[in-house]
Amino acid sequence: DAGVTQSPTHLIKTRGQQVTLRCSPKSGHDTVSWYQQALGQGPQFIFQYYEEEERQRGNFPDRFSGHQFPNYSSELNVNALLLGDSALYLCASLFMRGAANTHTQYFGPGTRLTVL
Amino acid sequence: QKEVEQDPGPLSVPEGAIVSLNCTYSNSAFQYFMWYRQYSRKGPELLMYTYSSGNKEDGRFTAQVDKSSKYISLFIRDSQPSDSATYLCAMSAAGANSKLTFGKGITLSVRP
Repeated sequence: DAGVTQSPTHLIKTRGQQVTLRCSPKSGHDTVSWYQQALGQGPQFIFQYYEEEERQRGNFPDRFSGHQFPNYSSELNVNALLLGDSALYLCASLFMRGAANTHTQYFGPGTRLTVL
Repeated sequence: QKEVEQDPGPLSVPEGAIVSLNCTYSNSAFQYFMWYRQYSRKGPELLMYTYSSGNKEDGRFTAQVDKSSKYISLFIRDSQPSDSATYLCAMSAAGANSKLTFGKGITLSVRP
């Protein structure tokens, strides 16, 4: 049973460029959340997608956008990259329609983004 | 002030020691409390999940929540070198399926 997968593993971009990160949820999961983890910090919530719609959003600018596809996979897009966007981007999935005690968020290994 | 504060690290202990990891929070709406473990170059994995106040035990791990003091703890008994990792506390107001607010994390090293 495949867990949460993310691609690419590493990415180097320059300021002003745009980037797309991809996430495939754990088998049977229907919800994807994205988090940004700067070096030495805890993950910060960006947004969550369920039924192809943004369900919740954290305090991130509109440069951060996302999408969820009918197969529940998701993309995170970041426009006009800044040096401060350098971080590990984590995707987490869960099965929203399950019982409350099954709402464990499973994290992928992340995509390391470096902005030069 | 950050919503979730976690004791600064790093922390180094000998094998077999009891480890205590702590977090405080300011948002009284938090009702769901989690501890995640993150190994180097990996995503966080859930260790313990507690709803509201109380204690929960799972093997060598015990999680405690004191909502009146806005304080949560994770105890690791008989620590092993394989416990060496970064430990993150996380909290949510709306449920474990919603936005999680994490602490900064503390890096634990268990010396053989």
